[in-house]
Amino acid sequence: EDQVTQSPEALRLQEGESSSLNCSYTVSGLRGLFWYRQDPGKGPEFLFTLYSAGEEKEKERLKATLTKKESFLHITAPKPEDSATYLCAVQAGDSNYQLIWGAGTKLIIKP
Amino acid sequence: SAVISQKPSRDICQRGTSLTIQCQVDSQVTMMFWYRQQPGQSLTLIATANQGSEATYESGFVIDKFPISRPNLTFSTLTVSNMSPEDSSIYLCSAGLRYEQYFGPGTRLTVT
Repeated sequence: EDQVTQSPEALRLQEGESSSLNCSYTVSGLRGLFWYRQDPGKGPEFLFTLYSAGEEKEKERLKATLTKKESFLHITAPKPEDSATYLCAVQAGDSNYQLIWGAGTKLIIKP
Repeated sequence: SAVISQKPSRDICQRGTSLTIQCQVDSQVTMMFWYRQQPGQSLTLIATANQGSEATYESGFVIDKFPISRPNLTFSTLTVSNMSPEDSSIYLCSAGLRYEQYFGPGTRLTVT
């Protein structure tokens, strides 16, 4: 069964303290892996798409990487405005745009 | 990317009534999606709406309860029918571009 698991469920960091969020997946034929950011009361905001193992994408303090089993979202020197829930989703090879979602990691950055 | 707007942003409804949520995309897209998100939880796909064809519903969701319209390539509606308190949730629409989905701001529905 296709599955996406995110860890940890919640992560509290001090401002400037770098860390990583994990997204492990089991799907039949990965078509793409997607990272989203969601602020309370808002819709998910698209961050990155990764298509193949070894691929990396960067945006400001965020860097996403992909292996054959998992993806990491690295956050470098985070600021309080980076606080949000980060969602991971995958698209399997036999789907048509449909995404399999992880439960998300709630990131809290304390000043 | 795509910019998605939804109306209403929130509503409080009485049980037994229906609410129609509108979703507008700033560009033409083939596929649109409707999701439900309970507080603190991830997204659950309700249905996929392609222009010119019937919506495809996920297990646990039926057309009589959640009828969907997709009259053109930039617009869709989701109706939540005969509402009960269990329908209280955030409803999100998204648009598919290439392999990516872009989301609207959501509609927060409370049923009393």
